[in-house]
Amino acid sequence: DIQMTQSPSSLSASVGDRVTITCRASQSISSYCNWYQHKPGKAPKLLIYAASSLQSGVPSRFSGSGSGTDFTLTISSLQPEDFVSYYCQQTYSTPPVTFGQGTRLEIK
Amino acid sequence: QVQLQQSGPGLVKPSQTLSLTCAISGDSVSSNSAAWYWIRQSPSRGLEWLARTYYKSKWYVDYAVSVKSRITINADTSKNQFTLHLNSVTPEDTAVYYCARMETMVRGLSACDVWGPGTMVTVSS
Repeated sequence: DIQMTQSPSSLSASVGDRVTITCRASQSISSYCNWYQHKPGKAPKLLIYAASSLQSGVPSRFSGSGSGTDFTLTISSLQPEDFVSYYCQQTYSTPPVTFGQGTRLEIK
Repeated sequence: QVQLQQSGPGLVKPSQTLSLTCAISGDSVSSNSAAWYWIRQSPSRGLEWLARTYYKSKWYVDYAVSVKSRITINADTSKNQFTLHLNSVTPEDTAVYYCARMETMVRGLSACDVWGPGTMVTVSS
């Protein structure tokens, strides 16, 4: 199975900050990386698919980049509603799809 | 607008069977471009894929190795829904269970673009 190593596991930042979350795949996955936002008590929400494509309806402050083994999710200017958890996912080699361990974004 | 609605008990006794249903609106369980997933989340395991089913001229199913001996996923075309059955549950199976649609987005790349609301399932006597 392909492992997705996500970092950091938690991150403290302030409203307006620019933050980056990274995910490293255990082998090359081309552009088969997706990013999700997960608010407590809610279903995960797709933010970015195919490494860099913004899902419809997602604010443009979210962006993704990378290919091969290294991927990043960037939030350009944090808003109060962004302080939740984020997960990467690979769909290159399925089954299984696998997820990163998650990053919890906290208010500094 | 595609929506997934989950139903099933929130409390299951050890050794019994956990059964959850995901009803689909706005799409078809027989869609040629989608696969239908069960995923769970727990503090110890994070987000864990469990099973999928999809239709491409015939029905296919796949299961996670960790639960393969205990799990079944079924699609019901007459009700446009799919169901998870996980038997011989233990407290380790306590988690939030989600159904999701894995849709082909672009150039053959897929993502879970629609999720059910989640069902917190506790395994306890």
